Amino acid sequence: NAGVTQTPKFQVLKTGQSMTLQCAQDMNHNSMYWYRQDPGMGLRLIYYSASEGTTDKGEVPNGYNVSRLNKREFSLRLESAAPSQTSVYFCASSSKDRGSYGYTFGSGTRLTVV
Amino acid sequence: SQQGEEDPQALSIQEGENATMNCSYKTSINNLQWYRQNSGRGLVHLILIRSNEREKHSGRLRVTLDTSKKSSSLLITASRAADTASYFCAAPSTSGTYKYIFGTGTRLKVLA
Repeated sequence: NAGVTQTPKFQVLKTGQSMTLQCAQDMNHNSMYWYRQDPGMGLRLIYYSASEGTTDKGEVPNGYNVSRLNKREFSLRLESAAPSQTSVYFCASSSKDRGSYGYTFGSGTRLTVV
Repeated sequence: SQQGEEDPQALSIQEGENATMNCSYKTSINNLQWYRQNSGRGLVHLILIRSNEREKHSGRLRVTLDTSKKSSSLLITASRAADTASYFCAAPSTSGTYKYIFGTGTRLKVLA
């Protein structure tokens, strides 16, 4: 099925550990995004990539790094996890073809940092 | 910076009734989007309305946009239990066309 695939779906980390969240899309979209969702806060943009080879900071980039590996893949890395990074992480992609910027979201990664 | 803010935060209605959710935003935009999120799932794109459109329909959904008031509304007619979800508006960030800022959402519960 076409769409955005995120792995893993669940993860528990100890404070200070590192990990990479993987995201891949098969819709030939140019732009990809990482959001985090916390109760009462809505979705907040961490990083985005407007096109292959470019990445930019969003609203809450501290503590994260990203890599746009190719057009399909956009990974999010936590170098030293902190309890404040406990959240649900969503990857999304979009294309401005036909003037539409609608996002396609993955199903999310639920991360707990203890 | 919060661009879209939904109202009410939560809404509970009976099946068959209409549900209306509102979104306000701060700066001029050229389009606005609405999304649905079922519990534990990712967001699903519902509809995009452009600044030159006042109203747009998609099935049982009707979206309006009032650029003079910087507000939008999402109406779900003849609601069903399956419409129970959170609904978010998303407006373009002031700092980039490709970035959208999401509100905190309206939690809709449709009672059977």
